[in-house]
Amino acid sequence: KAGVTQTPRYLIKTRGQQVTLSCSPISGHRSVSWYQQTPGQGLQFLFEYFSETQRNKGNFPGRFSGRQFSNSRSEMNVSTLELGDSALYLCASSFQNLGRETQYFGPGTRLLVL
Amino acid sequence: AQTVTQSQPEMSVQEAETVTLSCTYDTSESDYYLFWYKQPPSRQMILVIRQEAYKQQNATENRFSVNFQKAAKSFSLKISDSQLGDAAMYFCAYRRTTSNTGNQFYFGTGTSLTVIP
Repeated sequence: KAGVTQTPRYLIKTRGQQVTLSCSPISGHRSVSWYQQTPGQGLQFLFEYFSETQRNKGNFPGRFSGRQFSNSRSEMNVSTLELGDSALYLCASSFQNLGRETQYFGPGTRLLVL
Repeated sequence: AQTVTQSQPEMSVQEAETVTLSCTYDTSESDYYLFWYKQPPSRQMILVIRQEAYKQQNATENRFSVNFQKAAKSFSLKISDSQLGDAAMYFCAYRRTTSNTGNQFYFGTGTSLTVIP
């Protein structure tokens, strides 16, 4: 099976712009989670989607949003970019949204905000 | 709130030797799952090993094993016969059990492991 894929892999934006990141989960997986990784804050949970519904949300401002499509692919959007949004954004998928399931991570999208 | 603490920002080990990475966590729940993930320079997060809290037996995956002390809320990772390819950042993660409100990982801050040839 193909792994989790994320596009684009690298992105450079300027402050005030918006950005959309895409994540394609492993075939058959219906749960997709997003994480932000920065040197200062480490790995922080953004949100989780299961069957097109947001099931859980981390402590991020409303500028961060996401959605999931019927084929389980997910997108996350960041509006009005700030310098502090520069980070590696990781997507992870699992078959369901159960705690016992292992999440498989994608390679990440590295976002640089200038 | 659940917290995961990795008190060793950096560790080093001689090739072929054994190293133990520490992790402690705080939770009021009795059933949960613990994971160790490895993140090499490529930034790809790779599952190393997982442990179900209801299982007393420590998980083992080839050269990787854990020492799970539930009462002490400790979950250390032992890497035996260390190899150069083991060099990476290692993250300890906690995850709640089934919940219809969703599940998320709580990650530690990571331990950077260097393997010395």
